[in-house]
Amino acid sequence: DGGITQSPKYLFRKEGQNVTLSCEQNLNHDAMYWYRQDPGQGLRLIYYSQIVNDFQKGDIAEGYSVSREKKESFPLTVTSAQKNPTAFYLCAIKSSDTNEQFFGPGTRLTVL
Amino acid sequence: AQKITQTQPGMFVQEKEAVTLDCTYDTSDPSYGLFWYKQPSSGEMIFLIYQGSYDQQNATEGRYSLNFQKARKSANLVISASQLGDSAMYFCAMREGRNAGNNRKLIWGLGTSLAVNP
Repeated sequence: DGGITQSPKYLFRKEGQNVTLSCEQNLNHDAMYWYRQDPGQGLRLIYYSQIVNDFQKGDIAEGYSVSREKKESFPLTVTSAQKNPTAFYLCAIKSSDTNEQFFGPGTRLTVL
Repeated sequence: AQKITQTQPGMFVQEKEAVTLDCTYDTSDPSYGLFWYKQPSSGEMIFLIYQGSYDQQNATEGRYSLNFQKARKSANLVISASQLGDSAMYFCAMREGRNAGNNRKLIWGLGTSLAVNP
């Protein structure tokens, strides 16, 4: 079963706790992206990675961290420094051969 | 400055009719790509159609077509023969730079909510 997976679909955490969102792909795509979406808003880029062991900050990286130790995996950690972490988080991948990004199903994070 | 503008927060269309969703963009890069994505209530973001700035013809994909007017910097999505399943949020996005190998970020509009009435 190929594609991009994000888990879990819904995630609840207490304020002050770090939480890690998973993004896995088996399509061998080089580029991976993390976006945040708030209600009634478009997507905002948090971090992206074009190759293994390398990543760049997006527009709203503060309070988040990532790693890219394997091509298949690009986990996002939402730290306690992120002031408003409740949001819908989308992971995307892109091949160098195509123009479009393909998205995972998303994780809805709620911080109580 | 906002680079992607979608002026219609919400649209209604009767089933089987065509609908146009507006998108205007701003860039000084002569090479860019324009994208439309659909987001149903489930939340997944589904790629619909792509238009490159140097493409000679307007892009089409099944019932979706892109009305690309370069001089006006507009890239409107046309959905023909609307279906109930087309009810969703629709986002316009742009990437500056031409080649497919360009992995630069997408710049997103705020979206248009489309409701298809039976």
